[in-house]
Formats: sequence, C-alpha cells, structure tokens
Amino acid sequence: QVTLKESGPVLVKPTETLTLTCTVSGFSLSNARMGVSWIRQPPGKALEWLAHIFSNDEKSYSTSLKSRLTISKDTSKSQVVLTMTNMDPVDTATYYCARTLEYSSGWFGIDGNWGQGTLVTVSS
Amino acid sequence: DVVMTQSPLSLPVTLGQPASISCRSSQSLVHSDGNTYLNWFQQRPGQSPRRLIYKVSNRDSGVPDRFSGSGSGTDFTLKISRVEAEDVGVYYCMQGTHWPPFTFGPGTKVDIK
Repeated sequence: QVTLKESGPVLVKPTETLTLTCTVSGFSLSNARMGVSWIRQPPGKALEWLAHIFSNDEKSYSTSLKSRLTISKDTSKSQVVLTMTNMDPVDTATYYCARTLEYSSGWFGIDGNWGQGTLVTVSS
Repeated sequence: DVVMTQSPLSLPVTLGQPASISCRSSQSLVHSDGNTYLNWFQQRPGQSPRRLIYKVSNRDSGVPDRFSGSGSGTDFTLKISRVEAEDVGVYYCMQGTHWPPFTFGPGTKVDIK
C-alpha cells in the first residue's frame, strides 16, 4: 500500500524559512519509475504545483517560486524535504506531496497517491 | 507556462441528472510522443485531491463509470452521467504535457441544488 505523509510546523512567522517533510511508504525513492511532487492550496483556492524530484535527484521548480524553493530527498529515510524561504502570509496553505509515476510512454505524471496535506499558517 | 481555464466555476446540479465541466488549455496538450496528458481530479470537502481521469479519458481504478473524460488538443470535458450526493466537491483539470510546471485549472465547484 502506497502512502505519503506530510509533516512540519503548523505556524511560521513572516520572513522565516519553512521546512516540510514528506515520508513515503509502499515505494522507494530510488525507483527510477517514480518521483515526488509538492503542491499547495491556499484556503478556498486552487491547487498550485511547487516542485518535483526524480529518483536520480533531478529537480524542477515552479517558475514563480523557484528562487525560494529547494527540494531534496533522503532515500534511506524515504523522505522528501521541501524548504521555502522568506515566508509571507500569502503562503498560508495546505501543502501536499504526491507521487509521480512513469507512463508506458516514458513520460511522468502525478498519479492518484497524495498525502493528507498539512496546513501551514504564516502569521506573526 | 500553460494556462488552464475551466467553466463553469460553479455548477449546481440535481441528483440523478448529468453534469458537464469544460477545461481549456492555452496551448495544445498533445505531447511529442502522441499522448495527451490531461488529468481530472476530484476534491471532496476536507479531503485531498483524488485523480479520476488520466490521459484525457482513462478512468483510475475504483472510479465509477458515471465519470467520463473526452476532448483533444486544447478542449476537454469531464462528464458525470448521473450525479450522486458523493460527487459534491471541486473538480480540477491539470495538464502534464508541458511540465515543469504541472498546471491546474481554477476548479469547478459542484453542489446539489
């Protein structure tokens, strides 16, 4: 059974750095056919993709947030970590991690396995 | 980045009646490999998103057959043949052809009249 679980602080202050951890089970972060993305959702708003990491450590970032984001993984711990610097109240959101899976064509896509999400509030 | 739009943004429906959601992309979603990577997600109140449809028309495991996806190029549709109470939530289309980044539509809120 594939599971993903997000963890991190519930509350951060403006200008602080947010660090979130996605702990996965049921698959390995070294599997070349799989990767992990982070996606966020402000309260009552739409989903926004943030970052992705492949098994070979190749990384991709949101165009608008690239300068503030870093994604990394610890395969031995089955964890993917997202850091976001200089947090602002507009970054208040539920943050999700989701698995990506290689299609038979060789392309990758976000599949049906998402974490439950973790709500992060940015406030002084 | 590819911009995804959806209509309507709010869709009140009668139980047992059909529902249809439109999704458009700012550029063709046909990949160089010939596939079109357009997905549909359902987000029930208080829950994580759940993928319903991948590559335009393929239902995920466990998804009722009252859900169907169609379309090509830049225009796509999600249809619910007969709406049930459990279908209440927000539906998002998402393109995975021109990533990074993956981009989502603004969502369509489905509720019962």
